[in-house]
Amino acid sequence: EVQLVESGGGLVQPGGSLRLSCAASGFTVSNNYMSWVRQAPGKGLEWVSLIYSDGITYSADSVRGRFTISRDNSKNTLYLHMNSLRAEDTAVYYCARDRNGVYGSDYWGQGTLVTVSS
Amino acid sequence: DIQMTQSPSSLSASVGDRVTIACRASQSISNYLNWYQQRPGKAPKLLIYAASLLESGVPSRFSGSGSGTDFTLTISSLQPEDFAAYYCQQTYTTPLFGQGTKLEIK
Repeated sequence: EVQLVESGGGLVQPGGSLRLSCAASGFTVSNNYMSWVRQAPGKGLEWVSLIYSDGITYSADSVRGRFTISRDNSKNTLYLHMNSLRAEDTAVYYCARDRNGVYGSDYWGQGTLVTVSS
Repeated sequence: DIQMTQSPSSLSASVGDRVTIACRASQSISNYLNWYQQRPGKAPKLLIYAASLLESGVPSRFSGSGSGTDFTLTISSLQPEDFAAYYCQQTYTTPLFGQGTKLEIK
């Protein structure tokens, strides 16, 4: 059974850092395209970052230079390293498996809440 | 940059109604368009991919159509569990979601 479990969210001060984890089971992270998607309270979905199976990464303009997506193949885990956090980064962060990069995200985690506030 | 515009932003309907949600891209995206359903407090769920292909396990009352710049999601006969938010997503370039449509009970 495919499962994605996020962790690492919490309260952080503006300018601080946080690392989110997404532990996968039932498939191999490194063989798939993986994404992070966030949702601010009461708002819509916003794509954040993705990593291809070959390791190439892309990030949204709103987080480029501050957030980094990575993976640990030995742990079958996806990460989102977030630096220089701002109040507008407050959101539920979801990891998702992207099917071939274009045919949609077919499996999602339950989400982890990041709150940036002093 | 590609822009995605969904309409309407909210919609009231009754059980049994047929509803259509539209999504327009600012330039052609071929058929690189997916649709998601999101219930409150839950992760999104993939309904339709490649504009018109039904994801496994999704009821056949859901259908998608379109190509190029104009796309639609149709629910043929609303069921109580269909009242949720719906999002389109283009994957022609780096992924981008539409702003969403909230489907409410009339």
